[in-house]
Amino acid sequence: NAGVTQTPKFQVLKTGQSMTLQCAQDMNHNSMYWYRQDPGMGLRLIYYSASEGTTDKGEVPNGYNVSRLNKREFSLRLESAAPSQTSVYFCASTGLAGYSAVPNEQFFGPGTRLTVL
Amino acid sequence: EDQVTQSPEALRLQEGESSSLNCSYTVSGLRGLFWYRQDPGKGPEFLFTLYSAGEEKEKERLKATLTKKESFLHITAPKPEDSATYLCAVPSRVSFGNEKLTFGTGTRLTIIP
Repeated sequence: NAGVTQTPKFQVLKTGQSMTLQCAQDMNHNSMYWYRQDPGMGLRLIYYSASEGTTDKGEVPNGYNVSRLNKREFSLRLESAAPSQTSVYFCASTGLAGYSAVPNEQFFGPGTRLTVL
Repeated sequence: EDQVTQSPEALRLQEGESSSLNCSYTVSGLRGLFWYRQDPGKGPEFLFTLYSAGEEKEKERLKATLTKKESFLHITAPKPEDSATYLCAVPSRVSFGNEKLTFGTGTRLTIIP
């Protein structure tokens, strides 16, 4: 099992350019997440998807869109990149916990390092 | 709003010198606490889940403990390969069966040979 994979690993964009970050998991997980990690800020949730066909905003959704293409894949799109979006982006996934069950750990991909000039 | 604070921000230890990392939290109803390890240039790697105050878990030189207000990650006789950033996070339910994680900013641990 590859776990959670992300492409690309590195990307440099100019202000105003668009791009899509790809994420896939092979663990048959229902829930998938996109986080960004900035120095001194910790990991912050951008968007999440509880199941195929559903997506919801996290803490910092402005400037991003997402698509849950199928159960395996969850993409993050920057329509018009800004320097403030320079960050490391992580995708994560977790299995579905029942309503009264304890929360499950999230599994993270290796990250995409994005620089916007 | 859930909050997680980790201290110290950075810690340098000699090989074999034991110490503890702190994670304090403010949540409305703790449902668990996660510890992750992150190596430079990589994604967070899951270490432990603690579900209730008084619970302890161990893995090699690491032991995680949980109280009603904080968690500690104790590292005993560390080796250089334990050097990493250690993150803690608390879950909060966002929808049926789904949790989001609120992370601390981490403790960057360096073990000097």
